[in-house]
Amino acid sequence: ETGVTQSPTHLIKTRGQQVTLRCSSQSGHNTVSWYQQALGQGPQFIFQYYREEENGRGNFPPRFSGLQFPNYSSELNVNALELDDSALYLCASRRGTQDTNEQYFGPGTRLTVT
Amino acid sequence: GQQLNQSPQSMFIQEGEDVSMNCTSSSIFNTWLWYKQDPGEGPVLLIALYKAGELTSNGRLTAQFGITRKDSFLNISASIPSDVGIYFCAGRGGSNYKLTFGKGTLLTVNP
Repeated sequence: ETGVTQSPTHLIKTRGQQVTLRCSSQSGHNTVSWYQQALGQGPQFIFQYYREEENGRGNFPPRFSGLQFPNYSSELNVNALELDDSALYLCASRRGTQDTNEQYFGPGTRLTVT
Repeated sequence: GQQLNQSPQSMFIQEGEDVSMNCTSSSIFNTWLWYKQDPGEGPVLLIALYKAGELTSNGRLTAQFGITRKDSFLNISASIPSDVGIYFCAGRGGSNYKLTFGKGTLLTVNP
């Protein structure tokens, strides 16, 4: 069974640019969540996708957007990058939305904004 | 964004010692989770708790869901060098998607 994979591993962007991060969910998992983890902090919830629809969002501005595809893979898009967007971006997948179906995290994409 | 109060921030212990860390929240949670994160990796789920008062073990790890539903603790017994890493607590409330994390406890084990 393949786990959650993310690409790219590392990325360097300039302030004002746009970035797309990608996530392939674990086999059989149809729900994907994205988290931002700043250095020295715990992960912060960005949003969740279920059946290709966003069904939950954290306290992040609209320039953070996402997509989920029919194969349950997902993208996180960030427009107008700011220096504070530098962080580890984590994707997590789970089967459905039942409380006891826990989510499993990928290794993350390290984004540096200069 | 909101983060849970996790303590201690860091611990330096000798191999073989027991470790205890805890997490508190101002909000009630329906689920408490404990994760471990190694450098360059995503968090790995260690223990999940779903009922107030629940005590669950996973090998040398034991975690409890507080009766008030606003706290949880994690114990590690007889620590070994591979226990080194950052431990995070996470809670989930009425909405069944969003996890709220603590800031983490950095554990260092001296052989």
